[in-house]
Amino acid sequence: QVQLQESGPGLVKPSETLSLTCTVSGDSVSSGSYYWTWVRQPPGKGLEWIGYIYYSGSTSYNPSLKSRVTISVDTSKNQFSLKLNSVTAADTAVYYCARCRGSLGWFDPWGQGTLVTVSS
Amino acid sequence: DIVMTQSPDSLAVSLGERATINCKSSQSVLYSSNNKNYLVWYQQKAGQPPKVLIYWASTRESGVPDRFSGSGSGTDFTLTISSLQAEDVAVYYCQQYYSIPYTFGQGTKLEI
Repeated sequence: QVQLQESGPGLVKPSETLSLTCTVSGDSVSSGSYYWTWVRQPPGKGLEWIGYIYYSGSTSYNPSLKSRVTISVDTSKNQFSLKLNSVTAADTAVYYCARCRGSLGWFDPWGQGTLVTVSS
Repeated sequence: DIVMTQSPDSLAVSLGERATINCKSSQSVLYSSNNKNYLVWYQQKAGQPPKVLIYWASTRESGVPDRFSGSGSGTDFTLTISSLQAEDVAVYYCQQYYSIPYTFGQGTKLEI
């Protein structure tokens, strides 16, 4: 059974960098069949795709966030990570990691999500 | 970007009755090369991550009750719950995976 688990600070100061890691179990990020993605959801609002990464390191980002986002993969630890810099209160959200079925595919499964609050 | 618009924003349905949620995309999500609609439906219960119900617009995910069905093609899609159960209370989202950036509908809150 594939499981994903997000980890990282729950509180980030404005203008600083949000950093999260997703640990994958039950599958390998190097499997080659999937892309590994980040999605966020502001409290009480809808879902926004942030970007994804392939095990080779190839990435694709949402243009709305592209200038501030970096997604990386660590195949030795079976993890992938998200960095979002210059954060503001608008970046307060539950951040989910998920497995994406191909370069054009749906997201399944998802991690449980982690709330990141941007506040001084 | 492809804009996904769901209707209604919220819906109240009695137990055992039919619920219908619509999703419209700003451009077609049908790939002519394989005749597949790149559209997925998710269910999100309170405090939980989204869960896949339907992909390719009409293929039910394994383990999803058959009261859930998806239909439509091109730009207009529908999620139908044939006989609403108490456990179906949730927010439902459609999402296109036809092109980057992936985009979601705003969600439809389903209540009893």
